[in-house]
Amino acid sequence: DAGITQSPRYKITETGRQVTLMCHQTWSHSYMFWYRQDLGHGLRLIYYSAAADITDKGEVPDGYVVSRSKTENFPLTLESATRSQTSVYFCASSVEGVHEKLFFGSGTQLSVL
Amino acid sequence: AQTVTQSQPEMSVQEAETVTLSCTYDTSESDYYLFWYKQPPSRQMILVIRQEAYKQQNATENRFSVNFQKAAKSFSLKISDSQLGDAAMYFCAYPNAGGTSYGKLTFGQGTILTVHP
Repeated sequence: DAGITQSPRYKITETGRQVTLMCHQTWSHSYMFWYRQDLGHGLRLIYYSAAADITDKGEVPDGYVVSRSKTENFPLTLESATRSQTSVYFCASSVEGVHEKLFFGSGTQLSVL
Repeated sequence: AQTVTQSQPEMSVQEAETVTLSCTYDTSESDYYLFWYKQPPSRQMILVIRQEAYKQQNATENRFSVNFQKAAKSFSLKISDSQLGDAAMYFCAYPNAGGTSYGKLTFGQGTILTVHP
């Protein structure tokens, strides 16, 4: 099915481990985003990308790395997971940026023990 | 920095009644968009409605409408004839574009809406 897919849906890891969350979209949207959702904070932007090989920091980028070698993929890596990175992570895409509708993936619930 | 504030952590409404969710934001821009997103228990984020700031008319989508007051920087969501399926967390969002064609979509803290049968 076309759309935006995230994997895995659930992930448990330990502090200090490297974790990569995957995001794939089939629409060829230019813009892609990573958000984390925490109670009391809503969704906060981690990183975003305007096109392949163009990425920029959002509100809470520390401890995360992204890449976008292909338009359809936008993986998010936690280089050394910490407990404060326990959260639900959402990937999103849009055609023309944030003035347009965002299409969200179904999220990855990450627990860092 | 631009901020988006939802002052109601939780709201409840009886089925078929009307409820209004509040949102205020802070910006120095004159032309922008505002959004309401819904997140049901499935966790999927769904766009409910979008308002363009330069338009005087409040946006409406079926049972959902907004009360947009630009001078007051207020953007409330009104749900009429509430249904059980409206139960969800609702987020107000403002695109913090800073003059670029894309940028940071800032979300409020969210309001959990409960619908009682």
